[in-house]
Amino acid sequence: QVQLQQWGAGLLKPSETLSLTCTVYGGSFSGYYWSWIRQPPGKGLEWIGEINHSGSTNYNPSLKSRVTISVDTSKNQFSLKLSSVTAADTAVYYCARGAVGRNSVVVVAATGLSYYYYMDVWGKGTTVTVSS
Amino acid sequence: SSELTQDPAVSVALGQTVRITCQGDSLRSYYASWYQQKPGQAPVLVIYGKNNRPSGIPDRFSGSSSGNTASLTITGAQAEDEADYYCNSRDSSGNHYVVFGGGTKLTVL
Repeated sequence: QVQLQQWGAGLLKPSETLSLTCTVYGGSFSGYYWSWIRQPPGKGLEWIGEINHSGSTNYNPSLKSRVTISVDTSKNQFSLKLSSVTAADTAVYYCARGAVGRNSVVVVAATGLSYYYYMDVWGKGTTVTVSS
Repeated sequence: SSELTQDPAVSVALGQTVRITCQGDSLRSYYASWYQQKPGQAPVLVIYGKNNRPSGIPDRFSGSSSGNTASLTITGAQAEDEADYYCNSRDSSGNHYVVFGGGTKLTVL
């Protein structure tokens, strides 16, 4: 059974860089997109970005200028760096495994839906607080 | 558009059926996936693809899709189903990113 174990600093000062790492246990690293998601206190989920095993990344446009996601396939790990943090970056940060694919011809013909995407494995979350 | 819209709150009487909806242009190309989140816990995938449930998810949870709207239906809601529910897909307009709905708080009365 695949498990994600995440860790990193939980208390930062404004302008510092947030750094979190997620290790994948019990499953293949390739064939999936590995995402970071955050949830500010009392608010909804916000996708930060993703990386695949070959290092190809996609980022949330609203965070792109401050985000770097990297991968170390030898350790089955992927990492998040978010620079110049402010109080608005205070949140619970999650890592998750994403699966994306094309639907069968039959499904597309019946529904018009060409693709599927889901996040089936999540880390437990890391609370990050930004405070001076 | 990359947005997914959900009603902020929905309530249902114990044992009754409730539908939670999610609207967005990307849902004309992607199946929505649905997540349940209870206080202090990480989200849990409950529905993905064409009405698929991960192992351990009760069969009272089901999903459907029509046009730009995806729905999560709970048939015979239980007290333990009280939670926040989020829909999710990828953007379908050529931008390679992931979107979440704003979430629906389900109250079981």
